[in-house]
Amino acid sequence: RKEVEQDPGPFNVPEGATVAFNCTYSNSASQSFFWYRQDCRKEPKLLMSVYSSGNEDGRFTAQLNRASQYISLLIRDSKLSDSATYLCVVNPYGGSQGNLIFGKGTKLSVKP
Amino acid sequence: NAGVTQTPKFQVLKTGQSMTLQCAQDMNHEYMSWYRQDPGMGLRLIHYSVGAGITDQGEVPNGYNVSRSTTEDFPLRLLSAAPSQTSVYFCASSFPGGVPGTEAFFGQGTRLTVV
Repeated sequence: RKEVEQDPGPFNVPEGATVAFNCTYSNSASQSFFWYRQDCRKEPKLLMSVYSSGNEDGRFTAQLNRASQYISLLIRDSKLSDSATYLCVVNPYGGSQGNLIFGKGTKLSVKP
Repeated sequence: NAGVTQTPKFQVLKTGQSMTLQCAQDMNHEYMSWYRQDPGMGLRLIHYSVGAGITDQGEVPNGYNVSRSTTEDFPLRLLSAAPSQTSVYFCASSFPGGVPGTEAFFGQGTRLTVV
């Protein structure tokens, strides 16, 4: 089983749609979780951290279910500018190592 | 703010050649790392460093060397380039901890082709 698994998509949605991405991780001791965004031919950039209680940033909501080892990202009212690849990222160790394990990414394409 | 600077942005090498990918950060981050990104494979960790003078191997270290003589710089050396090393390489830095608030910042990437 891969350490971090995501549906690769692509997700093709119209503007204004709500879209949800899911991610599972294999290491139950994982410490922290993130969603990164990567535009075509660009570097990954942090979209948001994922907290145990769930957190929201504007149109974006992230949820964590430690019991099921499952992370989700919900995007409401999709914009054309949301088109990108969304990377689920896990730090399985915490502490000072800070090694990040990346999922392969889910590609989102928002159409007019 | 410069952030993480990688050079070169593009490079073509012949099989067997060696080269160094440069990475510098100006955020005083202790933690630096190198990833490669291949189609369908996602980002894979090559080497990382938790501070000056300390380096360790990641998931795919073979064929690469690193050193960390200063906090700012973390070069990646390809010893004898092979076509299998054709990839996009990203350098990243962060404060240690890997917890919320210690996000990783990435350089713009180096697109390497080995022929």
